[in-house]
Amino acid sequence: AIRMTQSPSSLSASTGDRVTITCRASQGISSYLAWYQQKPGKAPKLLIYAASTLQSGVPSRFSGSGSGTDFTLTISCLQSEDFATYYCQQYYSYPQTFGQGTKVEIK
Amino acid sequence: EVQLVESGGGLVKPGGSLRLSCAASGFTFSSYSMNWVRQAPGKGLEWVSSISSSSSYIYYADSVKGRFTISRDNAKNSLYLQMNSLRAEDTAVYYCARDQDYGDTPPGYWGQGTLVTVSS
Repeated sequence: AIRMTQSPSSLSASTGDRVTITCRASQGISSYLAWYQQKPGKAPKLLIYAASTLQSGVPSRFSGSGSGTDFTLTISCLQSEDFATYYCQQYYSYPQTFGQGTKVEIK
Repeated sequence: EVQLVESGGGLVKPGGSLRLSCAASGFTFSSYSMNWVRQAPGKGLEWVSSISSSSSYIYYADSVKGRFTISRDNAKNSLYLQMNSLRAEDTAVYYCARDQDYGDTPPGYWGQGTLVTVSS
């Protein structure tokens, strides 16, 4: 199975900050990479797929980049509603696998 | 509007069985691959199983292979997960999720989840 490793596992940031989360795949996955946001007690929400395609309705302050094994999720100007846990997921091959998550907390 | 509503969760003893259902609406169910993803309490997301639109292709996580069976009824717009030989480590919220689009896309629309607790 392809292992997905996110870093950092958690971070503290302030509203207005630029935040970057990285995700590394244990083998090449082309651009078959998705990013999700999850808030406590809620289902995950798809933010980005195909590494850099913004899901409809997702604010443009979210962006994704990368291909192969190294990927990045960037939040350009953190808003209060962005404090949540973020997961990457590869859907290049089965079993699909998720990163362990990055919790974005208020500084 | 895409809607996915899971049901069937509950408390079950180790070794027991449970069948989860997911009722879909707001889209042409028979055109999309579907998935089950779970999340143990306080833990991350774990993909469990996927089924193609016509049930031709089915995939399972190693952790559930041989114990869980995914199926769908396109006439009833419903997805199922039959879970047998349940273990304590199967305790989780189980989410039903539709692929974002046709072809190779990730789960893009999720239900609210149903909690499965395996305990004596």
